[in-house]
Order: sequence, then structure tokens, then C-alpha cells
Amino acid sequence: NAGVTQTPKFRVLKTGQSMTLLCAQDMNHEYMYWYRQDPGMGLRLIHYSVGEGTTAKGEVPDGYNVSRLKKQNFLLGLESAAPSQTSVYFCASSDPFGGSGANVLTFGAGSRLTVL
Amino acid sequence: LAKTTQPISMDSYEGQEVNITCSHNNIATNDYITWYQQFPSQGPRFIIQGYKTKVTNEVASLFIPADRKSSTLSLPRVSLSDTAVYYCLVGDTGRRALTFGSGTRLQVQP
Repeated sequence: NAGVTQTPKFRVLKTGQSMTLLCAQDMNHEYMYWYRQDPGMGLRLIHYSVGEGTTAKGEVPDGYNVSRLKKQNFLLGLESAAPSQTSVYFCASSDPFGGSGANVLTFGAGSRLTVL
Repeated sequence: LAKTTQPISMDSYEGQEVNITCSHNNIATNDYITWYQQFPSQGPRFIIQGYKTKVTNEVASLFIPADRKSSTLSLPRVSLSDTAVYYCLVGDTGRRALTFGSGTRLQVQP
């Protein structure tokens, strides 16, 4: 049981390049989230999904797109990377129908992205 | 959305009990209170969740007064390894968009 797996763990991009971060969970969780965390700051919600085929905007969605074609995967895309998107990205999932509810998130180890 | 307020930072020494308080004045009837711990370069980890009174697990205790407008995370006999950022979240268990506050940075010294 791997939990939440994020790939890649590290990536360096040049301004204007595109890339996709992959999040995979094996817990059959319904909800999935993408957060970003800048140095010394808290987590900010980018996008989230409440089920396969659904996505919704969070606090800071601009410059990002997401897709949830399969229940276990949640992809975060950067179409044209900017230095302001340099951050650590965390994926999380939760089970709103489980005993503890949607507030209990399982996080991945993070993906560190640098945009030059 | 219930807004939460926590101290920015706290200092403690090994072996002491640490209490971190979170204010959530506009908590709703269906809201639960959930705490997370985050070590540097790692994702946050669930610690404890409660609705009212007191909840205890192997890691911490959570105290919630009757009016539920605040909550206190209690870490007994902290060690250096408890140095981390602690986040308080408030929301109902079906809540879809979970937003984190700035958290409390706990520094434990020898």
C-alpha cells in the first residue's frame, strides 16, 4: 500500500516550458487535491477533484490545469511555466465516505519545481 | 469557511508539554477540527481530529471547549523530533475544498 505517490520528485524548467505532475493514489479515495507551498509559507490549494471526471478551482488556480480521467490519478499541468511557479507541489487525497471524513488527508512526498 | 488563527511560532524544551491553541470563532455546527504536522521537505501528516470535549491518541490530545470557538492541541513531553509546523483545519467531514492557514512553527530545544 503505497498511499499517495508523486512524480517527478524534482524538476527544473525554463520559463515558457510546459510539464505535467502526476499524482497516483491506491486507497480508492474519492477526493484529490493539489497544493503548492512556497518557502516558509503555508499550503495553498490550487485545484481539487471530488471524483473521476470532475475538477474545481481552489485558491490559486491561475497558470495551472488539471485532469482526473481515472479515479486513482490526478494530473497537474503547467502550460507555460513562470518563475513565480517555483515551489513545492503536494498532492493529497481523502475519503469523504470513510469514518474520519474528507478532512483527513493523505499527502504525497512532494514535487520540487524550479522555473528559471 | 471557518477562518482559523494560530500563533506563528512557539518555542519549547525537551520533556515539556506544549499546548498550541487555534481560534475558530465562526465554526459551524457540522464542522470538525483537524490537526496536521509537517516536517521540513515532507507533506503534512494527520495527527488528530475531534468534534467536542477531548480526544486522545498515541501522539497527542485535542481539547475543545463547549462553545467550540477554539481548540488546543497538546503534545506531552516533546522531543527534538517534534520540531515541525502544526496546522489547524476546521470544516465538515464532507467539505470539498480544504484550505490551510499559516500554521504554528514549533521549535523544540535541548
